[in-house]
Order: sequence, then structure tokens, then C-alpha cells
Amino acid sequence: RKEVEQDPGPFNVPEGATVAFNCTYSNSASQSFFWYRQDCRKEPKLLMSVYSSGNEDGRFTAQLNRASQYISLLIRDSKLSDSATYLCVVQFSGSARQLTFGSGTQLTVLP
Amino acid sequence: DTGVSQNPRHKITKRGQNVTFRCDPISEHNRLYWYRQTLGQGPEFLTYFQNEAQLEKSRLLSDRFSAERPKGSFSTLEIQRTEQGDSAMYLCASSFSPPMGAFFGQGTRLTVV
Repeated sequence: RKEVEQDPGPFNVPEGATVAFNCTYSNSASQSFFWYRQDCRKEPKLLMSVYSSGNEDGRFTAQLNRASQYISLLIRDSKLSDSATYLCVVQFSGSARQLTFGSGTQLTVLP
Repeated sequence: DTGVSQNPRHKITKRGQNVTFRCDPISEHNRLYWYRQTLGQGPEFLTYFQNEAQLEKSRLLSDRFSAERPKGSFSTLEIQRTEQGDSAMYLCASSFSPPMGAFFGQGTRLTVV
């Protein structure tokens, strides 16, 4: 089982739609959580951190459920420019400090 | 530009040759990560430095790979005796400690022919 798992998609949604991605992680001793966005053949870019209380940044809302070991990303009012791959990232506690990435969920917003 | 910088952007090499990549992190960041990414996959962790100390190295990393970060500033990643399976995008990222999310460079795309 992968340490961080995501539905690869693709998710094809019309402009203006609301779309949600989930991500599960296997290590309960996880410390920090992030969502990254990656455009085709570009580097990953930090979209937002995910806090225990949930957090919002404009049209984007991230939530964390430690009991069930999953995080989610909700995108409201999708724009064409939201088309990208969304990567779930977990930093596990303990001696390991690397950021562990999921394989990504591909989103295409259609006109 | 004060972001993470990687050089070269592209490298084509013959199988069996050695290659070296360089990463210049954001200057205030004391953590530096190397990742490898192939098509359709998320970035795969290779190694991680805090200042000049290499604190973690992936078990998947063969002994053909070595990384350094002298003086806790820039870092180099060397691959010896390259194989076709080494073809990938090599990404460098840096962050504060504790991490508030890491910032990536544009990557070095390696093609082994």
C-alpha cells in the first residue's frame, strides 16, 4: 500500500462546477499536510497547507480528518486555469522529514 | 529571481556516463530536498539535507547516486554510470525548518540514450 494515495482521475468538469479531491495517508503519526498544483511539464507549486481546523483560500478549501487519515481539497466555481494535476503531500513525523507525495489527481475544466 | 534555481534545465547523456546537477535553494531556507519524477507519477523522494547534513536518503537510491551540500548552501546531485532507467525529471526543493511547505525549482530533465 502506498503511503499517500489519491484517485488519479481524470476529473473532467465544466466551468463553474465544484469539484472535490480526496487523499488518504497510511501513517497515523503524520505531522504536516499540503496540496500542490502541477501544470504539464512544470514543477509542483505549493497551493496551500492543510490545517486541522480546515482552511480556505478564495475558491479553495482544504480539510483534514486525522481520525480517518484523509485530507480533501474542494474547488468552487472552477476556472479553465484550474486545469492541472493536484498533488497531496504528507510530512510524516519522527526521524523522516521528507515530504511524501501522492501520484496526483488530474483535473480538466471544460469550457 | 529569488526562487529555487536548478542547472542545467535539460541534459542528454549516453548510458554509462556520469552527470551532475546543481541546485541553488532560496537563501533563507535551511532544508533542501531532491526528488525524481517520471511521467504520470508524483515526485519520488531521493534525499534531504538540513543545512550541510544529509539526514535522509531513500532506500530506493542506488549507490550510483550521491548528493552533497557543502556549507549548507547550493547542492549537487551526481549520478554515476547512468542507465536508461535514470531518465526522469530531477527536482530540487527548499524550505524552512520546520517546513511550511517546500518550494521547487524548475527541474533538470535527464534523458539517457
